[in-house]
Amino acid sequence: SYALTQPPSVSVSPGQTATIACSGHKLETKYVCWYQQKPGQSPVLVIHQDNRRPSGIPARFSASNSGNSATLTVSGTQPMDEADYYCQAWDSSTVVFGGGTKLTVL
Amino acid sequence: QVQLVESGGGLVKPGGSLRLSCVASGFNLRDYYMHWIRRAPGKGLEWISIINISSSYTKYADSLKGRITMSRDNAKNLVYLEMNSLRDDDTATYYCARGHGGDDSNAALDLWGQGTLVTVSS
Repeated sequence: SYALTQPPSVSVSPGQTATIACSGHKLETKYVCWYQQKPGQSPVLVIHQDNRRPSGIPARFSASNSGNSATLTVSGTQPMDEADYYCQAWDSSTVVFGGGTKLTVL
Repeated sequence: QVQLVESGGGLVKPGGSLRLSCVASGFNLRDYYMHWIRRAPGKGLEWISIINISSSYTKYADSLKGRITMSRDNAKNLVYLEMNSLRDDDTATYYCARGHGGDDSNAALDLWGQGTLVTVSS
C-alpha cells in the first residue's frame, strides 16, 4: 500500500521559516493536501491541490510538490502555528495520510 | 453555520458494537462525498471510509474492512459509521469530514467535525 513519510518533529523560532517534508513514491503525480491539527481541536485544511490555500488560511502557509517530496512552508512562523501537520494524498481511491509532524515554535 | 457534529461515542467492551452519527448543517449533504477518519491516542490520523453521494459506493481501509459499515441518509443530513467486533486498538477520536471533489485525485477534506471519542476497554 502507498505510504507517505513525514519527520516526527520540526522546531522553529518565532518569525523564522518552518519547512515540513512529506515523501512518497512519485508523489509529484498526485495532488497533496496539508492539514493542521492543534491540541484538542479537529484538523483544518490549510493546503489543497499541492499549493492552493482555502479561504481564510493565512498567506504565510505555502506548499510545493516535486519528484518524490512535497513541502509545507510556514513563513514568519507564529506561536499560534504550533500544531501537528499532516500531508495527504489519494491512492487507489483511498485517502492516505502521512504520519504527522509536530511543529514546535520555540 | 456550516458544521459537522459527531455523536455516539463512549465506552464499549471488547467485542462490542457502536454506531456513530454525524449530522451536517449549513450545507447540502447530498452534494458531497463523506469520510470517516480516526486518531488514536498518541498516533496520527487514519482514514477509515468514504461514501459517495447516492450511497452506491463505499470503500474502507483494509485494517477495518469487514468490521465497519458506512451509510448516509441525505434527507436527514446524517452520516453513520457502524462498528463491530471492537478491539482495544479501536480506541480513538472519530471524525467525520466532508469531501470536496468527490473521490477525484484532487479532492480534499475541507470540513471536519469536532470528533467523538470511542474507548474500548473491559
